Amino acid sequence: GAVVSQHPSWVICKSGTSVKIECRSLDFQATTMFWYRQFPKQSLMLMATSNEGSKATYEQGVEKDKFLINHASLTLSTLTVTSAHPEDSSFYICSASPWDTEAFFGQGTRLTVV
Amino acid sequence: AQSVTQLGSHVSVSEGALVLLRCNYSSSVPPYLFWYVQYPNQGLQLLLKYTTGATLVKGINGFEAEFKKSETSFHLTKPSAHMSDAAEYFCAVSKPPDKIIFGKGTRLHILP
Repeated sequence: GAVVSQHPSWVICKSGTSVKIECRSLDFQATTMFWYRQFPKQSLMLMATSNEGSKATYEQGVEKDKFLINHASLTLSTLTVTSAHPEDSSFYICSASPWDTEAFFGQGTRLTVV
Repeated sequence: AQSVTQLGSHVSVSEGALVLLRCNYSSSVPPYLFWYVQYPNQGLQLLLKYTTGATLVKGINGFEAEFKKSETSFHLTKPSAHMSDAAEYFCAVSKPPDKIIFGKGTRLHILP
């Protein structure tokens, strides 16, 4: 199967700083990637759709100025959490689909803001 | 619009017993249906999927699911539970590369 890699796996940052999370498709090109957020013991919530070469599409209620998404190449999308606060602490997961019938997920990034 | 409902946020079964996790979907178009498993602090792993064709789908680790259009269901089963099956299970609907819609998840507990 295809591989989607996220980096870092976990990160701790101070309140007010920014954190960048990378999502790479290792063996396929992805014009679209998705970013999800998961709170403890809850399901995945779609945050935004990352589109290569154009602006991301954000779900309702997600602050686009806080969660900056850049999809500059066909194999890389980045999510930057700006001016992070403790309430941004969560598990962030990306996904991409190399073909029509399946999505592959990164291993996730555990963000802790202190 | 597509949506997924998973009945039961927690399910407990004894080791060796039948596992049944329920999923109902709503979709205005023929859906693609998925079951994913998530272990703590990890990403999601695909268990099985239904796209077209045979309605009984077999997946990894002995799991299977049956697509029942008349019932708009895609329940996940495994004949005999193993301790290693304890995890969070998500039912999902979509037609990639469109976004995937997840159910709220069911945590499966295996009792010794």
